Amino acid sequence: QSVLTQPPSASGTPGQRVTISCSGSSSNIGNNYIYWYQQLPGTAPKLLIYKNNQRPSGVPDRFSGSKSGTSASLAISGLRSEDEADYYCAAWDDSHWVFGGGTKLTVL
Amino acid sequence: QVQLVQSGAEVKKPGASVKVSCKASGYSFTRYYIHWVRQAPGQGLEWVGIIHPSGGSTSYAQKFQGRVTMTRDTSTSTVYMELSSLRSEDTAVYYCARGGSEPYSTFDYWGQGTLVTVSS
Repeated sequence: QSVLTQPPSASGTPGQRVTISCSGSSSNIGNNYIYWYQQLPGTAPKLLIYKNNQRPSGVPDRFSGSKSGTSASLAISGLRSEDEADYYCAAWDDSHWVFGGGTKLTVL
Repeated sequence: QVQLVQSGAEVKKPGASVKVSCKASGYSFTRYYIHWVRQAPGQGLEWVGIIHPSGGSTSYAQKFQGRVTMTRDTSTSTVYMELSSLRSEDTAVYYCARGGSEPYSTFDYWGQGTLVTVSS
């Protein structure tokens, strides 16, 4: 059972906008930044969003993050086939890091 | 460019120990924390712990306290994670990842992962 709660799956068709939610508590998301990672099959995770809504260089602006209270969400607009991957949220929680269980995004 | 290169896959018997290495390059090794994160087959990500290469200070997830030891060698810019008393549930890909200058700063660069298989 993960500390941060994500839906196990999400899907969309090319060009659509999809959102993935991440729910936590005051000890993690409520008082710390949220981060998002993309993991393509058979590869290491890649930082997608940091400090709630910042994109590292090289990450398309189709990806955006937001946070409100103890919840956060990742939005992907203009969905593309290469976006099919697992997505994880993460946050600092007192003295350790916690992750969401991951959301498998399928591009139909 | 920042690179983290990990040691190769390991197969261990239950009760044994495993030591995985992570060699850093492309940045100032002693300035950034290194995290270890694991992923069991078909499962999500799990934080194992963290080490600061400068002074060697560590912090481990409660679940692994007493079984995990993280060390570093500043002469080779390498961090090590040793996990003892292995059980089948420890079968996973273990990743090292570069953190920030504070433990609560997230991991931006990741190693390629090391598969540790625990099987009799």
